[in-house]
Amino acid sequence: EVQLVESGGGLVRPGASLTLSCVASGVTFTDAWMTWVRQVPGKGLEWVGRIKSKSDGASVDYASPVSDRFTISRDDSKNTLYLQMNSLKTDDTAVYYCSTYNCLETGCTGYWGQGTLVTVSS
Amino acid sequence: EIVLTQSPGTLSLSPGETATLSCSASQSFGSSYLALAWFQQKPGQAPSLLILGASTRATGIPDRFSGSGSGTDFTLTINRLEPEDVAVYYCQQYGTLPYTFGPGTKLEIK
Repeated sequence: EVQLVESGGGLVRPGASLTLSCVASGVTFTDAWMTWVRQVPGKGLEWVGRIKSKSDGASVDYASPVSDRFTISRDDSKNTLYLQMNSLKTDDTAVYYCSTYNCLETGCTGYWGQGTLVTVSS
Repeated sequence: EIVLTQSPGTLSLSPGETATLSCSASQSFGSSYLALAWFQQKPGQAPSLLILGASTRATGIPDRFSGSGSGTDFTLTINRLEPEDVAVYYCQQYGTLPYTFGPGTKLEIK
């Protein structure tokens, strides 16, 4: 069974930094392209960024609102995805989800974590 | 950035009816013209993947759910609505960076 478990959320002041983690199990993490998506409570989904697998170059792409403040990285030895968030703003308040997908001959399946809430407030 | 527009904003239908949800893109996705996914988010849950490649159901998704379209206009059709289909449905394009989501369609069952 595939599981993605996010952690690291909490209440922080504007301007602070925070690092989220997403531990994956049941999936071949080294082959997985991993994505962060966020959702302001009661609002829609917003794509934050994605990191490719190392075999595909491990390149990272970001959404414009976070591209100069957030860093996505991965540690394949720990099956863990990270989201380092700097210079946090009140607009960054959201539930942060990690997600991935796995495609086999029988089809593709998407996987999402349960999310971790980040609240940026003074 | 490609902007996705979804309509209607809210859809209220009875069990057994057919729901038709639309997703329109501000521009095509270039060579990845079918790079459109649909997600379902039930109340209090994380989103789940329904459709990718505009029309391919994800593993385990019932054939009541079908996707169609290409270019800039896409449709998610849900046949024989059931009470468990109550959710917000989001489209997402993954053909052009940055990837973007539509604002969602809320499906209510009367």
